[in-house]
Amino acid sequence: GQNIDQPTEMTATEGAIVQINCTYQTSGFNGLFWYQQHAGEAPTFLSYNVLDGLEEKGRFSSFLSRSKGYSYLLLKELQMKDSASYLCAVRDNYGQNFVFGPGTRLSVLP
Amino acid sequence: SQTIHQWPATLVQPVGSPLSLECTVEGTSNPNLYWYRQAAGRGLQLLFYSVGIGQISSEVPQNLSASRPQDRQFILSSKKLLLSDSGFYLCAWSGTGGSEKLFFGSGTQLSVL
Repeated sequence: GQNIDQPTEMTATEGAIVQINCTYQTSGFNGLFWYQQHAGEAPTFLSYNVLDGLEEKGRFSSFLSRSKGYSYLLLKELQMKDSASYLCAVRDNYGQNFVFGPGTRLSVLP
Repeated sequence: SQTIHQWPATLVQPVGSPLSLECTVEGTSNPNLYWYRQAAGRGLQLLFYSVGIGQISSEVPQNLSASRPQDRQFILSSKKLLLSDSGFYLCAWSGTGGSEKLFFGSGTQLSVL
């Protein structure tokens, strides 16, 4: 079966650092993706991991441990505009199907 | 560059009425195409995906259907809408390589009353 877990909600302060965790159990693995989604809008791509380790892209970093079925998204120097839902997704072994977690709603407070 | 168009942006339909949502992709050939639904405050549920013309895989049995009449056109349909069909519908495409990410259309907010 396919199961992806994320915390439902998180709150952080402007300028701080926040880590959003994702654990997955899927029938296959061909990469893990993080997306950002503002309310009422479509998700937009943030990061991609297929090998273990950390991928850094500006204020955003994403980490993957395939043996643990675990990833996290790290957001630094939080800004008010970072208030959004963050979706973790796994691409299956055949590369055709993307399975999404429930999403984590992040609120950045002044 | 590749673009994806999805319409309409919002739709209000009575229970029992038909539905047709259309999605087209430009700037790429033979993409994988997807329809997702998102209930309010929830994650994305995969409804259908297609790896080629006329090839449709259904993930969730329901009163919806999908068709791919052309390489870059994906249509979501229903003959009779239910209240539970309300939600945010997203069309998406990806390339066929393993590292290819998913690109989303702007979405359709469907309210069934």
